[in-house]
Amino acid sequence: AQSVSQHNHHVILSEAASLELGCNYSYGGTVNLFWYVQYPGQHLQLLLKYFSGDPLVKGIKGFEAEFIKSKFSFNLRKPSVQWSDTAEYFCAALGPESSASKIIFGSGTRLSIRP
Amino acid sequence: DSGVTQTPKHLITATGQRVTLRCSPRSGDLSVYWYQQSLDQGLQFLIQYYNGEERAKGNILERFSAQQFPDLHSELNLSSLELGDSALYFCASSASGIGHNEQFFGPGTRLTVL
Repeated sequence: AQSVSQHNHHVILSEAASLELGCNYSYGGTVNLFWYVQYPGQHLQLLLKYFSGDPLVKGIKGFEAEFIKSKFSFNLRKPSVQWSDTAEYFCAALGPESSASKIIFGSGTRLSIRP
Repeated sequence: DSGVTQTPKHLITATGQRVTLRCSPRSGDLSVYWYQQSLDQGLQFLIQYYNGEERAKGNILERFSAQQFPDLHSELNLSSLELGDSALYFCASSASGIGHNEQFFGPGTRLTVL
């Protein structure tokens, strides 16, 4: 079955530390990948997305993610986190759009930044 | 503000009852998606409508149903409610029914079943 795994449930970092959140997916073939962020009390917002082309994707707020097909991974990175990055981060995958495919979200990683 | 609105913000009801959640997509968006977010199940895709027709189905229970109206707003009906249905229900919209279009999420409706 198609699935998305986020192995880090809760990550705690100090300001200015570097961040890497893991995401692995189990789709075969063409896959579209997303990272969403949910700030406390707010709705989900798209950080970045990968459909094709350059496997290194730049998103908003200094985030980037790298698609590594051989590892079925799409890890989210940020070189220097800020307190305002405290949020929950969701990786999501969408299979081929040939027929009403559905997006599958990972279980989320809660990021806490110590000031 | 994503442009997607959901009402009500909070809903408290009892087991066995029926509730309706409402979603208005962004202006011009034809596709509406419903998600359930709970502590134990995470974020689960329930169902998608595109221009009034069901497009994709996820982990939606038979007790739940949805529809999209001609004005493109959507309603999610939850019936015979159980304690485990307590969750945050999100609606999202996108410009078309094609999956890789960005989905814009609403603020959610928090449902508490007592």
